[in-house]
Amino acid sequence: GAGVSQSPSNKVTEKGKDVELRCDPISGHTALYWYRQRLGQGLEFLIYFQGNSAPDKSGLPSDRFSAERTGESVSTLTIQRTQQEDSAVYLCASSFSVQLDQPQHFGDGTRLSIL
Amino acid sequence: AQTVTQSQPEMSVQEAETVTLSCTYDTSENNYYLFWYKQPPSRQMILVIRQEAYKQQNATENRFSVNFQKAAKSFSLKISDSQLGDTAMYFCAFMKHAGNMLTFGGGTRLMVKP
Repeated sequence: GAGVSQSPSNKVTEKGKDVELRCDPISGHTALYWYRQRLGQGLEFLIYFQGNSAPDKSGLPSDRFSAERTGESVSTLTIQRTQQEDSAVYLCASSFSVQLDQPQHFGDGTRLSIL
Repeated sequence: AQTVTQSQPEMSVQEAETVTLSCTYDTSENNYYLFWYKQPPSRQMILVIRQEAYKQQNATENRFSVNFQKAAKSFSLKISDSQLGDTAMYFCAFMKHAGNMLTFGGGTRLMVKP
């Protein structure tokens, strides 16, 4: 596609439920990033993929968070046993590679609301 | 660890005027990139301008320019001839050499008034 696509656009769920967020990067982009943006705050890095591999998972807030990527394309971010503190916009970005001069292109995000 | 600070939570400017948004950062790296992103209500993060730390010349993109002061670790954004469409949140961000993650500041909400 022309840009990074994220789905769903909005997700409302009850505390304790599991949620799965999806990111379709720009075609040909090997690097993929997940960020979290709490209300009124800047973006917080969660995890990145180089191809299908995630070299650094230290940004994930807890073991309830996991992410995977298959086929160097779609990535899913899964949050298990959601808590109200997980409410945020989750933004995905992709870049041609992880090289420093390759800008990250962002999707519109998924707004997650935990009741 | 890197930190990015934007000390102006909100700013406003009259249409056609010039406004400067401040950003300071802290790092022990010598080579890195700095970015300004714009986030309108649509939520999408849009890259406005970027600066390589090893370049002394300030980056310019049409009405947007930066004042990069490496010694002072300052990276301000100047918007000239402000337009109503410039109304958005603006985030300053840092990426270290050979790094991958962007470290963002807390953002500045800019309102352009007609």
